Amino acid sequence: DVVMTQSPLSLPVTLGQPASISCKSSQSLVHSDGTTFLNWFQQRPGQSPRRLLYKVSNRDSGVPDRFSGSGSGTDFTLRISRVEAEDVGVYYCMQHKHWPRTFGQGTKVEI
Amino acid sequence: EVQLVESGGGVVQPGGSLRLSCAVSGLTFSNHWMTWVRQAPGKGLECVANIKEDGSDKYILDSVKGRFTISRDNAKNSLSLHMDSLRAEDAAVYYCATGLDLWAWGQGTPVAVSS
Repeated sequence: DVVMTQSPLSLPVTLGQPASISCKSSQSLVHSDGTTFLNWFQQRPGQSPRRLLYKVSNRDSGVPDRFSGSGSGTDFTLRISRVEAEDVGVYYCMQHKHWPRTFGQGTKVEI
Repeated sequence: EVQLVESGGGVVQPGGSLRLSCAVSGLTFSNHWMTWVRQAPGKGLECVANIKEDGSDKYILDSVKGRFTISRDNAKNSLSLHMDSLRAEDAAVYYCATGLDLWAWGQGTPVAVSS
């Protein structure tokens, strides 16, 4: 199985300051057509996960533009330009190029 | 608006069975792969099973293969997960989600395995 490794696993943040989460995969997530199958999810306390970004850097509808994604191959990053209180929660990366689909361990973002 | 509503969770003894359902609305259900994801208490996310649009292709996680069955009824916009021989380690909140890239999720249904 493809192993997704996130760091850090706990991320204390300051309101208004930037934050970033790293995600590394054990195999390339690049399809033969050039698409990279890496998504980011947010799970706020007590809620279901929701997708934030797909194919590395595309924001889902309603996701604030302070969230951005970058990376290629096996190395990816989620950035929050200015953390807001509503960003508290756990963030997961997930690959959907290989079977089974696998998630990172999750990064807990707390103020 | 896409809505996914899971049901069927509960408390079951080890070795017992449960059938989870997911009612889907707000999209053309038969055009989408569907996925079950679980989250054990205080733990991360794990994709358990996927099923193709027409049900002709399925993927089941190795740790549940032979015990869990995924199915769908496109006429009823419904997804199911039949779970047999349940073990303590299967206890989790089970979510249904759309597609292979999980672009929409339900609220989840909890499964507890306890004697």
